[in-house]
Amino acid sequence: QSVLTQPPSVSAAPGQNVIISCSGSSSNLGSSSASWYQQVPGTAPKLLMYENSQRPSGIPDRFSGSKSGTSATLAITGLQPGDEADYYCGTWDTSLSSGGNWVFGGGTKVTVL
Amino acid sequence: DVQLVQSGAEVKKPGDSLKISCNGSGYTFSDSWIAWVRQKPGKGLELMGTIFAGDSDTRYRPSFEGRVTISADKSINSAYLQWRSLEASDTAMYYCARLDGGRLDHWGQGSLVTVSS
Repeated sequence: QSVLTQPPSVSAAPGQNVIISCSGSSSNLGSSSASWYQQVPGTAPKLLMYENSQRPSGIPDRFSGSKSGTSATLAITGLQPGDEADYYCGTWDTSLSSGGNWVFGGGTKVTVL
Repeated sequence: DVQLVQSGAEVKKPGDSLKISCNGSGYTFSDSWIAWVRQKPGKGLELMGTIFAGDSDTRYRPSFEGRVTISADKSINSAYLQWRSLEASDTAMYYCARLDGGRLDHWGQGSLVTVSS
């Protein structure tokens, strides 16, 4: 069971919008910023968002992020077939069970209908 | 450009030992943390541990402590993940990634480890 909770899957038609949630606690998202990773099947994960809402160069502005309290959100607007992938949130966790290390959410599969 | 290049796929038997590598280029390797991430078939990402390449300060996730060894050699810009005795449950894809503050900003291509008798 992951320390950060994400919905297993979301789906929408091309052109529509999706929102992926990432729920944590005071020991992780409550005290650290969130980052998001996109993993297209068969490839390595790629950084999509950092410091809650910052996009690395090359990431389109269709992707946006936010954080409030112990939850973070990734939004994808104008969904495209190439967005079909698994999405993971991540952050630092200070709890004993994590050894003060980095933790990921369980991942959300985005399906473009 | 920052690049992390990992060693190739391995097929091993239970009880075998193994060391896989991650070579960094395009940045000052000794100034950064490297994370090792496991992904079992069809499953999510699990961080195993991190190492600061400059002084080999290593932090393990408790569930991996004692099962693997993470090391680094800053003279050749490389980090390593090592097992003394593999089990079938170690079958997975293993990624290294540069940990820069609050983000894993560059990832290796992955090393597939298959453990089967």
